Amino acid sequence: GAVVSQHPSWVICKSGTSVKIECRSLDFQATTMFWYRQFPKQSLMLMATSNEGSKATYEQGVEKDKFLINHASLTLSTLTVTSAHPEDSSFYICSAGGGSLDTQYFGPGTRLTVL
Amino acid sequence: GDSVTQMEGPVTLSEEAFLTINCTYTATGYPSLFWYVQYPGEGLQLLLKATKADDKGSNKGFEATYRKETTSFHLEKGSVQVSDSAVYFCALSGGSQGNLIFGKGTKLSVKP
Repeated sequence: GAVVSQHPSWVICKSGTSVKIECRSLDFQATTMFWYRQFPKQSLMLMATSNEGSKATYEQGVEKDKFLINHASLTLSTLTVTSAHPEDSSFYICSAGGGSLDTQYFGPGTRLTVL
Repeated sequence: GDSVTQMEGPVTLSEEAFLTINCTYTATGYPSLFWYVQYPGEGLQLLLKATKADDKGSNKGFEATYRKETTSFHLEKGSVQVSDSAVYFCALSGGSQGNLIFGKGTKLSVKP
């Protein structure tokens, strides 16, 4: 099946720094990518929808200036957590897919720890 | 809004035991329902799905039936294996952006 990769798989950073997370579809083109956030023992919560060549659509309560999303090509979306703080520590998961929901493919996730 | 509730884990079973993971949902309209599995260190993988009432999704010995009358989509397997140890997520297609709405996940550990 299709493969989605995320990089890095984990990152530790100091408070106030910015962190970029990459999501790549390795063997297919993804017109839409989704970014989710998962807290321990919680559901995956959608943060934003990233569409190639257009601005991302953010869910209510998600700060677009803090979580910058760029989907510059059909195989790459990036999430940049700007001026990270300890409360941003979480597990970030991306998924990529086309028009049919059962063709959403998930990355392995990125564990972010902000000290 | 739409939501998914699934039983909290962890669930610990012996090999060859019967598995049930309960999942109920609330939704406006008629969503598709999914079970995803996440093995350690890997991304979520689609395990099975059902797109309308009374549909049964099945894969790798797992089954789930879309029950509209009880708004449920319980996951079952007759005989689990150690290799089934993973986190299982119930989800529905209710998101406004075409995204999935997930339950909290249930961790399953199968002991030999």
